[in-house]
Amino acid sequence: RKEVEQDPGPFNVPEGATVAFNCTYSNSASQSFFWYRQDCRKEPKLLMSVYSSGNEDGRFTAQLNRASQYISLLIRDSKLSDSATYLCVVGDTGRRALTFGSGTRLQVQP
Amino acid sequence: DTAVSQTPKYLVTQMGNDKSIKCEQNLGHDTMYWYKQDSKKFLKIMFSYNNKELIINETVPNRFSPKSPDKAHLNLHINSLELGDSAVYFCASTGEDGGRRQFFGPGTRLTVL
Repeated sequence: RKEVEQDPGPFNVPEGATVAFNCTYSNSASQSFFWYRQDCRKEPKLLMSVYSSGNEDGRFTAQLNRASQYISLLIRDSKLSDSATYLCVVGDTGRRALTFGSGTRLQVQP
Repeated sequence: DTAVSQTPKYLVTQMGNDKSIKCEQNLGHDTMYWYKQDSKKFLKIMFSYNNKELIINETVPNRFSPKSPDKAHLNLHINSLELGDSAVYFCASTGEDGGRRQFFGPGTRLTVL
């Protein structure tokens, strides 16, 4: 079983749509959680951290359910510029390491 | 100013050659990493150094050898390159307690012919 699992997609959605990505992780001792964004042929960049209380950044909302070991990302009012691969990332501060999911590809269409 | 830089950006070479990729960060971070992203886009950690000390060494062939001359630099040397080494290699760094936000370099696209 992969440590971090995501649906690879692609998710093809029209502009303005709301889209949700889900992720599960296997290590219950994980201590930090993130969504990274990776554009084609570019490096991954932090989109947002994820907290148990849920957090929002503009059109993006992230949720963490530690009991279910489940992380989600909701994107409202999708823009063409949101087209990218979204990586679910889980951190282990003891090991000083991040574990990346294989990513979910989003394509927003006009 | 580039926070994490890598050279070269592209590297095309023949099987059997030895090559190096260099990474530098100007963020004052203590921990640096090498990741490999293969054709299936899966990003997998290879090595991690904290203050020039190796702290993570995943199951990577001995042909790969990281070297950290100081905490701002982490280089990757690859001996006897094989076709399967073709991938994008990313360097990253973090100044926090590891396992938290990492900053990535632009990547080095290695093609072995």
